[in-house]
Amino acid sequence: AQSVTQPDIHITVSEGASLELRCNYSYGATPYLFWYVQSPGQGLQLLLKYFSGDTLVQGIKGFEAEFKRSQSSFNLRKPSVHWSDAAEYFCAVGAHGFQKLVFGTGTRLLVSP
Amino acid sequence: EAQVTQNPRYLITVTGKKLTVTCSQNMNHEYMSWYRQDPGLGLRQIYYSMNVEVTDKGDVPEGYKVSRKEKRNFPLILESPSPNQTSLYFCASSSGQGLNTEAFFGQGTRLTVV
Repeated sequence: AQSVTQPDIHITVSEGASLELRCNYSYGATPYLFWYVQSPGQGLQLLLKYFSGDTLVQGIKGFEAEFKRSQSSFNLRKPSVHWSDAAEYFCAVGAHGFQKLVFGTGTRLLVSP
Repeated sequence: EAQVTQNPRYLITVTGKKLTVTCSQNMNHEYMSWYRQDPGLGLRQIYYSMNVEVTDKGDVPEGYKVSRKEKRNFPLILESPSPNQTSLYFCASSSGQGLNTEAFFGQGTRLTVV
């Protein structure tokens, strides 16, 4: 069965520092991978996605993620965090084509001044 | 503007009182889904639909019903809500076609069952 693990429940980063959020997946076939962000009281916004091709994927708001098949990972990175990046971040894998997204449990990012 | 619209955004109800949460999308998408979000569990799929009159169970379907009579609408029905259905609910839609597809999510419905 497909699964996604986000090992960090909370992460605190100083404003201007770099960020890496970890995501490991389990999926038998070539995965479709996604990162979503959820700001307080808001729905989910797609940051970036990986389907195939270049393993380094650029997204919105300055985020990028790298797909590493050998490590079953799809970590999200940002070189310099802004206070507005404080939110909850979800990694997801697309299963059964696009019928279903399997989500990780999320990582809450706190940004300190 | 492409969007998924859920109503209501907030709902407090009593145990056993039937309710419906509506979901509508304006993108002519084939795929629609309902998820619930609970602390420490992330989002879990309740039901999904591949097209009109085609629905199937997700991971946590117990206590829920859905219908897909029109392509744009996918209501979630709780016939006899219980407190363990207190949660944040999201509707999502996607075209499911090609490599540029993505899931669009509604703003969420926060349901409290007392």
